[in-house]
Amino acid sequence: QVQLVQSGAEVKKPGASVKVSCNTSGYTFTSYYMHWVRQAPGQGLEWMGIINPSGGSTTYAQKFQGRVSMTRDTSTSTVYLELRSLRSEDTAVYYCVRDSSQHAFDMWGQGTVVTVSS
Amino acid sequence: QSALTQPASVSGSPGQSITISCTGTSSDVGAYNYVSWYQQHPGKAPKLMIYDVTNRPSGVSNRFSGSKSGNTASLTISGLQAEDEADYYCSSYTSSHSWVFGGGTKLTVL
Repeated sequence: QVQLVQSGAEVKKPGASVKVSCNTSGYTFTSYYMHWVRQAPGQGLEWMGIINPSGGSTTYAQKFQGRVSMTRDTSTSTVYLELRSLRSEDTAVYYCVRDSSQHAFDMWGQGTVVTVSS
Repeated sequence: QSALTQPASVSGSPGQSITISCTGTSSDVGAYNYVSWYQQHPGKAPKLMIYDVTNRPSGVSNRFSGSKSGNTASLTISGLQAEDEADYYCSSYTSSHSWVFGGGTKLTVL
């Protein structure tokens, strides 16, 4: 079955960077785009960007331009999210989410809690 | 890209029907039939309930249905059940080749 397994919780200081991984299995990794979506405590969902695992091309939400990188490793079927210059407002659960090929989010990782605190 | 507009909360009694609206613009909801809906229970990851405005993924109850008129999409849940109590989010693809979510609606089953 399709599985998206994310790395564990992180605690970071303001100004630091965080890198979250999402290891996939159960489907052809290069056939489906992958999104990253975050959810701050008690808040709604926020789209961060998308990566094409086949060629590595990316599109980022304007809000995160210059501060975010999404990469992939086809040998391990893993995608990565790196967010730099962290601030307290980046405290959130970060989800990797497969694109269904119908512009919808059909399979979600379990989420990674990132806490930014001094 | 501004968030889509959803009511903060809706409620209904078991067996009743409720509708959650999702209002965007001519650059997102009104531009494409790429509206989707998600159910999220506390502490859980969201679950896809509707895609492409009206389509249900395999395994989703036919009590859930979607529609769209102009810049507003809607999710209707018929025959409300206790387990439907959750947060619901809409999402749309946009003309900027990005995605946007609604602010979320808390459904309470009375």
